Amino acid sequence: DSGVTQTPKHLITATGQRVTLRCSPRSGDLSVYWYQQSLDQGLQFLIQYYNGEERAKGNILERFSAQQFPDLHSELNLSSLELGDSALYFCASSGQGGGDTEAFFGQGTRLTVV
Amino acid sequence: KNEVEQSPQNLTAQEGEFITINCSYSVGISALHWLQQHPGGGIVSLFMLSSGKKKHGRLIATINIQEKHSSLHITASHPRDSAVYICAVGFGNQFYFGTGTSLTVIP
Repeated sequence: DSGVTQTPKHLITATGQRVTLRCSPRSGDLSVYWYQQSLDQGLQFLIQYYNGEERAKGNILERFSAQQFPDLHSELNLSSLELGDSALYFCASSGQGGGDTEAFFGQGTRLTVV
Repeated sequence: KNEVEQSPQNLTAQEGEFITINCSYSVGISALHWLQQHPGGGIVSLFMLSSGKKKHGRLIATINIQEKHSSLHITASHPRDSAVYICAVGFGNQFYFGTGTSLTVIP
């Protein structure tokens, strides 16, 4: 158990809908990362938050947004969903953030858009 | 352009064999990470390296900063090692991932 909790584990929704994925980081970790893993793209970095502030942005679509709350949990909001958004969405947390810190991954949320 | 290249993409081995997975990267990095993803989908961090070599049980990871190359070795492979192994490099505040090596160890 990594200590990172993601909910829900599975989500099936229709095109055009909006969903929210939730991540609770390990106790004490300030940094939260979001990643998308689709069959044809592999793991893609989406966005990083550190102590409530956006720190780095990757290949995140404008239809997607995220935030980190004062209790350090994070939510990833996906709107106007398309079939191509079907993927595994992972959250990871680390103490300080940065590429030289170990990250701990949640079990992922499997999103299926039909 | 992919900043991280892994080889091989797929690997099948007999139980007990010594396995090597390679990772090359093109950016200056702060650290390199090896991750393991089991068929259920969960990802586990195996190693984080910025220089030299690390060992954990039957797993050994090495990195050569000058050559921008890392290897993950599995000694005495076992069917439970069957998984996808992913190399990731930390660059600034971001991570770049290889496409993964799918390992199957046959009893």
